[in-house]
Amino acid sequence: SAVISQKPSRDICQRGTSLTIQCQVDSQVTMMFWYRQQPGQSLTLIATANQGSEATYESGFVIDKFPISRPNLTFSTLTVSNMSPEDSSIYLCSVESGDTQYFGPGTRLTVL
Amino acid sequence: EDKVVQSPLSLVVHEGDTVTLNCSYEVTNFRSLLWYKQEKKAPTFLFMLTSSGIEKKSGRLSSILDKKELFSILNITATQTGDSAVYLCAVEDSNYQLIWGAGTKLIIKP
Repeated sequence: SAVISQKPSRDICQRGTSLTIQCQVDSQVTMMFWYRQQPGQSLTLIATANQGSEATYESGFVIDKFPISRPNLTFSTLTVSNMSPEDSSIYLCSVESGDTQYFGPGTRLTVL
Repeated sequence: EDKVVQSPLSLVVHEGDTVTLNCSYEVTNFRSLLWYKQEKKAPTFLFMLTSSGIEKKSGRLSSILDKKELFSILNITATQTGDSAVYLCAVEDSNYQLIWGAGTKLIIKP
């Protein structure tokens, strides 16, 4: 199994600023994923982050807006840059361990 | 410590069968319970349950929450091969944090 923690758990930010979300896993994992979720909606995959290589972004998401770091096998960060109210969402980190996918508790972001 | 437990962990049935997936929880400040279907990388939202005893229904899928006994069930009737997926349950607490179950892997055989 894998236990995931995220920081911050929630934040309220001003338009135009940036926020970096941290994701820590209690075991070494190869694949980490970042999702965005509007309340009561399906999750949308932003990117896949593998250690030692650049993140792979899904259609509609770009590195300049959502830079990701993956410095080691237990940690990743997602930055939401130059935020606008449309970026208000829940951001989730997820990892694959064995044949199971685990999800973090989420970071609830509100952009004013 | 808050936790969400899903059962069974995996289930294999034949097309046409009815399945019931279980989700029990111990969460200090319960806000809502959510069900998702995951076939690929992005789980698809199914239901959000906040009130006890009120069934939510969408086609062949239905779900109900029992806040007294701290569990929810997801029913799928007349299963089809396209229902094969991992079904995830998550509980949202009053701080909007999600506590996830491990999922039930459902396989529908033709």
